[in-house]
Amino acid sequence: AQSVTQPDIHITVSEGASLELRCNYSYGATPYLFWYVQSPGQGLQLLLKYFSGDTLVQGIKGFEAEFKRSQSSFNLRKPSVHWSDAAEYFCAVVGEYGQNFVFGPGTRLSVLP
Amino acid sequence: GAVVSQHPSRVICKSGTSVKIECRSLDFQATTMFWYRQFPKQSLMLMATSNEGSKATYEQGVEKDKFLINHASLTLSTLTVTSAHPEDSSFYICSASPTSSYNEQFFGPGTRLTVL
Repeated sequence: AQSVTQPDIHITVSEGASLELRCNYSYGATPYLFWYVQSPGQGLQLLLKYFSGDTLVQGIKGFEAEFKRSQSSFNLRKPSVHWSDAAEYFCAVVGEYGQNFVFGPGTRLSVLP
Repeated sequence: GAVVSQHPSRVICKSGTSVKIECRSLDFQATTMFWYRQFPKQSLMLMATSNEGSKATYEQGVEKDKFLINHASLTLSTLTVTSAHPEDSSFYICSASPTSSYNEQFFGPGTRLTVL
C-alpha cells in the first residue's frame, strides 16, 4: 500500500524568502503525485500534479515541484513566499489505476512579515 | 471546470438527530466519489468510496450504519450521519473522480458539522 510522509509538521519563513516543503512517498509502481493547499476552514485547492513526463512541474501561485524517483520524493518549492501563502499543505499519492488517494500528514506554513 | 460543491457548508444539530450532506459534481460526471473526515490540525482520513449505483466501500473502523452513503447518480453523492453524537463533530470533505480521469479527485469545500 502506498504511503506519504511530510517530515516537517510546521515551517516558518519570512516573506520574500524561498520555500521548500518535503514530501516522500512509498509506492511500488508508477505514482501519481499531488500537492494541495488548505486555508483554515476551507477545502483543498490543487497546486500541481505529476503524472508523467517532465519531472519538474509548474503549478499555480508560483509553486513548482520536482519528482525524483531515485529519492521517492516530490518536494514543493517557491522562490519567494507571500504572506498569503500561509496555510496547510498536503502531499498526496494515488496509484496509476486510480486507487485511493493517500494524504501526507500535512505541513503548516507560517509566514513572518 | 471540475467544480465540486457541498451543501450545507456548516450545520449544527442536536445529539441524536440525523444530518445529510450533499456532494455534487457541477460540470462533470463522477463514477466514483469519496468521503473524508478531517479533525482539527490533522490530515484527511478516507471514510468511504462510493461508486454510482452500487454500495459504498467503507474504510476499516468506519461504521457503515452510522455514516450512510448514497451515490444515486453520476453527479450526486450524499453522506448521512445518523444519530449524531458530539464526537461526530468534524469537517467532512467529499471529492469526485471524473469518469474520464480516474486518477484525479476534485474536492468540495467541506462541511463543518457541530453536534451539540
